[in-house]
Amino acid sequence: EDQVTQSPEALRLQEGESSSLNCSYTVSGLRGLFWYRQDPGKGPEFLFTLYSAGEEKEKERLKATLTKKESFLHITAPKPEDSATYLCAVQALNTNAGKSTFGDGTTLTVKP
Amino acid sequence: EAQVTQNPRYLITVTGKKLTVTCSQNMNHEYMSWYRQDPGLGLRQIYYSMNVEVTDKGDVPEGYKVSRKEKRNFPLILESPSPNQTSLYFCASSPTEIYEQYFGPGTRLTVT
Repeated sequence: EDQVTQSPEALRLQEGESSSLNCSYTVSGLRGLFWYRQDPGKGPEFLFTLYSAGEEKEKERLKATLTKKESFLHITAPKPEDSATYLCAVQALNTNAGKSTFGDGTTLTVKP
Repeated sequence: EAQVTQNPRYLITVTGKKLTVTCSQNMNHEYMSWYRQDPGLGLRQIYYSMNVEVTDKGDVPEGYKVSRKEKRNFPLILESPSPNQTSLYFCASSPTEIYEQYFGPGTRLTVT
């Protein structure tokens, strides 16, 4: 069974204080790992897709990295508008195409 | 505008009264999914569809039905809703199985 564990559950940062969110996954083979951002009361919005260990993607203050067991979402000099819940999801090679497993998310709060 | 729409956005109903939540996408996507989101349990996939007339169970399919008669529509049917189906429901679509998913705005369902 595919498993995704995100840590920490909640993270409070001061504006400008860089940090990282962790997503540990267990799959027999990775088809893709996805990061989403979710604002309260809204649907998740796509951030990044990573396919293989060593891959990195960047967008503004966010950078996602991938190893064979985990992914990190690095947030550099965060701003209050980065406050949201960040979700990690995996699709595995050994399951039907279209099946996704999500982690419980990390709720990030950035104080001005 | 490319989007996934869901209706209704809010629904309060009683135990046992059949209901349908509609989902439609205008991006000609092959893949569509339904998720439920509960506090502490994250996003859990209910059903997904790889194309017209092709559907498969996700992690929590009990008590739900789906159909995919047209490419753009993927309704979620609760034949006999129960209070444990009170949740926030999201529909999502994707052009292929390894592309990001586009989520709808959510349907908040309360079953009393």
